[in-house]
Formats: sequence, structure tokens, C-alpha cells
Amino acid sequence: EVQLVESGGGLVKPGGSLRLSCAASGFTLSRYSMNWVRQAPGKGLEWVSYIDGSANYIYYGDSVKGRFTISRDDAKNSLYLQMNSLRAEDTAMYYCARDPYLSFGFDPWGQGTLVTVSS
Amino acid sequence: QSALTQPPSASGSPGQSVTISCTGTSSDVGTYNFVSWYQQHPGKAPKLMIYEVNKRPSGVPDRFSGSKSGNTASLTVSGLQAEDEADYYCSSYAGNNKSVFGTGTTVTVL
Repeated sequence: EVQLVESGGGLVKPGGSLRLSCAASGFTLSRYSMNWVRQAPGKGLEWVSYIDGSANYIYYGDSVKGRFTISRDDAKNSLYLQMNSLRAEDTAMYYCARDPYLSFGFDPWGQGTLVTVSS
Repeated sequence: QSALTQPPSASGSPGQSVTISCTGTSSDVGTYNFVSWYQQHPGKAPKLMIYEVNKRPSGVPDRFSGSKSGNTASLTVSGLQAEDEADYYCSSYAGNNKSVFGTGTTVTVL
């Protein structure tokens, strides 16, 4: 069964850092493009970042560019999101999602991990 | 990039059809056939229902269909069922290696 499980969320102060993880099972992470998508409480979805299967192509949304870094550890079959200089507006549920069709159609999604940025 | 525009709500009785629109621009929906639709139940992760405008992933009922005309994409749910009550989001590739989501539509089954 293809499954994604996120972890690493929590409460952090403005300006702080956090590293999210996404453990993949049932498939080989390096064969797929992967994404991070977030959803602020009660709000809509926002695409955050993309990494292709070779890790040669990495992209970010404008709101996180320069502060967030996506990466992958193929040995651990895991995806990461390093988040620095966190702001209150980064408070959200963060989901990792696979892009099996190479067309920004995300399937499946993990259950999400909640990041709260507050003093 | 700005979010794609969806109506806040839509509704229909069981067995009826409901269509949700997703309006973008010539820089996203109008240019690329990379439009996807997601279903999200409260407290759950989104689920892919349609990709590349009108393709259904394995396991998605054929009651769900997608289309596109110009800068507007649409999702139609035919034969509405109680379990179709959820939030629905569209998304599109927006060029410059970015993706954009829609504002979301809450579907109510009356």
C-alpha cells in the first residue's frame, strides 16, 4: 500500500526553525516527484514546494522562497522540509504528496503535520 | 500567482448533478491541461479525483468528471450521494514551475 506519513510539526516562536519529515512506504521515493502543500486553519490549500525524482529540479512558492528548503534522503525513503525564519502566517497543516502523473496532480497525500508559529 | 476562483458553495439533492467552476487566467488554466480536482472531507487529507483536466485515478467513481473551456475548468458530480458532501479544490500548473490552487467550494447534499 502506498503511504505517506508526515512528522515534525509543533509549536515554534516567530523567527524560529522547524524540520518536517515525510516517510514514504509502498513505493520508491526517488522514482517520483514530490510536493509539500499547506493549509492554514479554516483556509484553502497552498502549494509550497516541489522536488523531482532526481532532486535536480526544485521549486518553491513565492511566500516561502528563500526561507524553506525541500530535500530527500533516498536511503531513508523520506522527504523533508526545512523551514527557517518562520512567521505567524506559516501556521498551517503541512501535507506531503506524490505527483505520479508528472502534471502536478497530487496522489496520495499524507495525513499532515500541524505547524503553529506563535509567541 | 493568485488563487483560482471557485464559488464558495454548491448544492444538490441526492441523485442530482452539481457542477463546480474553477476560473483562472491565460497563464494557468487557459494554457495548460494540468488541471486537477481534489475532494476533502472535514479533518481529512485531500484526495485526488481528477487530473489532467478529465482523467480519473483508479478507484474514483465515474460519477466524477472534468472539463475545460478557455480559462475555466469544471468538475461535475453526477448522481449525488451523501458521501460526496465535502470541500472541493481545483489546481492548475501556473507556469514558471509553480502550481496554484482554487479557493475551494463546499458541496452540500440536500
